[in-house]
Amino acid sequence: QKEVEQNSGPLSVPEGAIASLNCTYSDRGSQSFFWYRQYSGKSPELIMSIYSNGDKEDGRFTAQLNKASQYVSLLIRDSQPSDSATYLCAVGEDMRFGAGTRLTVKP
Amino acid sequence: DAGITQSPRHKVTETGTPVTLRCHQTENHRYMYWYRQDPGHGLRLIHYSYGVKDTDKGEVSDGYSVSRSKTEDFLLTLESATSSQTSVYFCATQGASNQPQHFGDGTRLSIL
Repeated sequence: QKEVEQNSGPLSVPEGAIASLNCTYSDRGSQSFFWYRQYSGKSPELIMSIYSNGDKEDGRFTAQLNKASQYVSLLIRDSQPSDSATYLCAVGEDMRFGAGTRLTVKP
Repeated sequence: DAGITQSPRHKVTETGTPVTLRCHQTENHRYMYWYRQDPGHGLRLIHYSYGVKDTDKGEVSDGYSVSRSKTEDFLLTLESATSSQTSVYFCATQGASNQPQHFGDGTRLSIL
């Protein structure tokens, strides 16, 4: 069984802090990794795609991939209350989703 | 986004009735997916399609069937709805196998 694990949270950070979200996966052959954000009552929306080891930055978001350790993380810098949502990690060509981590950013 | 329309957006029906949900896309994406999302379970794959008339089962396919007669349409059918199928259903499309999926707005289905 190919597994994707995320801490369910909730993760609470103060406004302006860095939020760190982690995802581990079991399938060593996975080559594609995605982070989605889902607001309550809405559909998942893509934030980041990452395919190579290392960091990928897009605005306040940084995805970090370490294939040897089988984890992918998402850092949100200068967190805002509008970042409060559930963040879903998806792994591999068959897009296996983790259960998501609920993030709350407190003003 | 990928131009994905799900219909209906909300539906309430009774146990034992048939229900069909529709997903329509305008991006000519090859792959289409149906998920259900329930509290505590995240997104669970019901069925997927990798082309016209080519479909396969996901992890929670029991009680569901799908059809894809055109690239742009992917239908999910509950032949005889049960209360356990009350959920939010999302359709997603994908252009190529290593590309991200894009989601429709979802259908909230309640079965009484």
